[in-house]
Amino acid sequence: QQPVQSPQAVILREGEDAVINCSSSKALYSVHWYRQKHGEAPVFLMILLKGGEQKGHDKISASFNEKKQQSSLYLTASQLSYSGTYFCGTEIGGGSNYKLTFGKGTLLTVNP
Amino acid sequence: DAMVIQNPRYQVTQFGKPVTLSCSQTLNHNVMYWYQQKSSQAPKLLFHYYDKDFNNEADTPDNFQSRRPNTSFCFLDIRSPGLGDAAMYLCATSRETGVWYEQYFGPGTRLTVT
Repeated sequence: QQPVQSPQAVILREGEDAVINCSSSKALYSVHWYRQKHGEAPVFLMILLKGGEQKGHDKISASFNEKKQQSSLYLTASQLSYSGTYFCGTEIGGGSNYKLTFGKGTLLTVNP
Repeated sequence: DAMVIQNPRYQVTQFGKPVTLSCSQTLNHNVMYWYQQKSSQAPKLLFHYYDKDFNNEADTPDNFQSRRPNTSFCFLDIRSPGLGDAAMYLCATSRETGVWYEQYFGPGTRLTVT
């Protein structure tokens, strides 16, 4: 049930854009995105619900394709502070049970 | 500031010697989680509490136990640590508010088993 993230790693120059994908073989109820910097705790970025609602930070956008059971996180005009590992966490089924299964992560490196 | 606190930040224990990790929160959240995260891997859920209701993941080894004596505190007990239990242990909290719940993570306890 672990979601699959792609790519595994991406290297950008400051100002470039990136897309990180998260897909599931099961029907999803919600997708959560977190960023973890090296040696630090994961930090919440976004929640996307089946049906189209979402909640999160202003400078980050994401989409949820219910037909494909896939979510994408869009990082535009990247900054050095965007570097870190991005995890998606998914809930499957028809409702929330307040627990997530995380993907293996995407390591994003933003260079000057 | 409201936060999730984990103690200790670093713990070294010997093979087979019981160890307890602690987590406290000032957020007054009713859901608390323990995750195990090994190097370059995703956080893996071990248990979670919904209020006092304990939920154990099916693949969490019996060697791992948890206690939540009150809303603010949660403990992870490893009864007989093996070398494979060396990892970062993350505590997280969330507030049950219908469908919207973000998890707030503590800084983690890095466990070394010698």
